[in-house]
Amino acid sequence: QSALTQPASVSGSPGQSITISCTGTSSDVGGFNYVSWYQQHPGKAPKLIIYDVFKRPSGVSDRFSGSKSGNAASLTISGLLPEDESDYYCSSYTSRSSWVFGGGTKLAVL
Amino acid sequence: EVQLVETGGRLVQPGGSLRLSCTASAFTFSSSNMNWVRQAPGKGLEWLSYISSSSLSIYQADSVKGRFTISRDNAKNSLYLQMNSLRVEDTAVYYCARSQLAAFDIWGQGTMVTVSS
Repeated sequence: QSALTQPASVSGSPGQSITISCTGTSSDVGGFNYVSWYQQHPGKAPKLIIYDVFKRPSGVSDRFSGSKSGNAASLTISGLLPEDESDYYCSSYTSRSSWVFGGGTKLAVL
Repeated sequence: EVQLVETGGRLVQPGGSLRLSCTASAFTFSSSNMNWVRQAPGKGLEWLSYISSSSLSIYQADSVKGRFTISRDNAKNSLYLQMNSLRVEDTAVYYCARSQLAAFDIWGQGTMVTVSS
């Protein structure tokens, strides 16, 4: 199972919005509404911020939003804050009863 | 506090074996589906294995099939990963994580496994 494709890095200024893409296939992203997104700060465990494409866990800011179209999913962060600077990973359930992650995107808040 | 704590990571020689443990607290482990996910130094996340709450369903990534075995003991609130025939490329931080439907909602802090001679 190949990893989902994410941009290696994105950047934005405080207050701006950014979008991170996550491209898979019809066997994963396109075949299920089971895309999730994780935020990982250096040396820390990942934290779930979006599940089932667009749902937010309790306690996660509504500045984080998710969507999907075909075989591609997206994470949008609005009103960027310095603390949003982190690595972000997408994940999808697959037709092989497995999970696949994206390669990760490093967000810089300049 | 809802928590997962992994233990057992250490330096091991290529070809060696290691058993990782993950202990859960403050949530109903026995009704939770669990997973192992790893992250090589400076690299991304890689899902390894899933076990259902009753151990009836087990899924594994091709990269570890035949070498790694996931198991659990609900009476001890514990999840395990038996790793055999370890390779240098298995060097990583190993996380246990609970899955709710298809998302990993609770993660441990990770335990480092280094495979080197």
